[in-house]
Amino acid sequence: QKEVEQNSGPLSVPEGAIASLNCTYSDRGSQSFFWYRQYSGKSPELIMFIYSNGDKEDGRFTAQLNKASQYVSLLIRDSQPSDSATYLCAVEAGNKLVFGAGTILRVKS
Amino acid sequence: EPEVTQTPSHQVTQMGQEVILRCVPISNHLYFYWYRQILGQKVEFLVSFYNNEISEKSEIFDDQFSVERPDGSNFTLKIRSTKLEDSAMYFCASSVTPPAYNEQFFGPGTRLTVL
Repeated sequence: QKEVEQNSGPLSVPEGAIASLNCTYSDRGSQSFFWYRQYSGKSPELIMFIYSNGDKEDGRFTAQLNKASQYVSLLIRDSQPSDSATYLCAVEAGNKLVFGAGTILRVKS
Repeated sequence: EPEVTQTPSHQVTQMGQEVILRCVPISNHLYFYWYRQILGQKVEFLVSFYNNEISEKSEIFDDQFSVERPDGSNFTLKIRSTKLEDSAMYFCASSVTPPAYNEQFFGPGTRLTVL
């Protein structure tokens, strides 16, 4: 059973701070890793896609991947109240994505 | 910007009835998926579909479920005899390539309520 683990939170950060979200996965064969944002009652919205070890930056978001440790993280710089949502880590597993349960992020103004 | 669309947005049905959930994937995408999310739980994979065939299905996707691409644009999920536990958000997704190489884009979802 391929597993993706995330801390459910909530993670509370003040506006302007860096939010750090973490994810571990069990399948060493997974090649690609995704971070989605999900607002309550809405569908997952893709934020980042990473497949190489190291960091990938896109605006205020940085994804970090360490395949040896089976660990992927998402950093959100200059957090805004609009970033308050559930962040889903998803791992490629052949013909599908396996999702973690998500981390609730709350950004307080 | 191209997007995945789904209809209806909300479907209410009686237990034992058949429902069909419809999706229009992004036009140049070749890989199609259905996921579901029971309220308060994680997003779960149901089925992937490529070249008019099921590529993979989960244990959830039993004989009461079926998928079809009836024409060049629609992708449907049929539940033959709905159960109370089928109540969930159902998300359609599509991608250009298999998941290892590219992103999956999700539609807005259909909320299915089985009474």
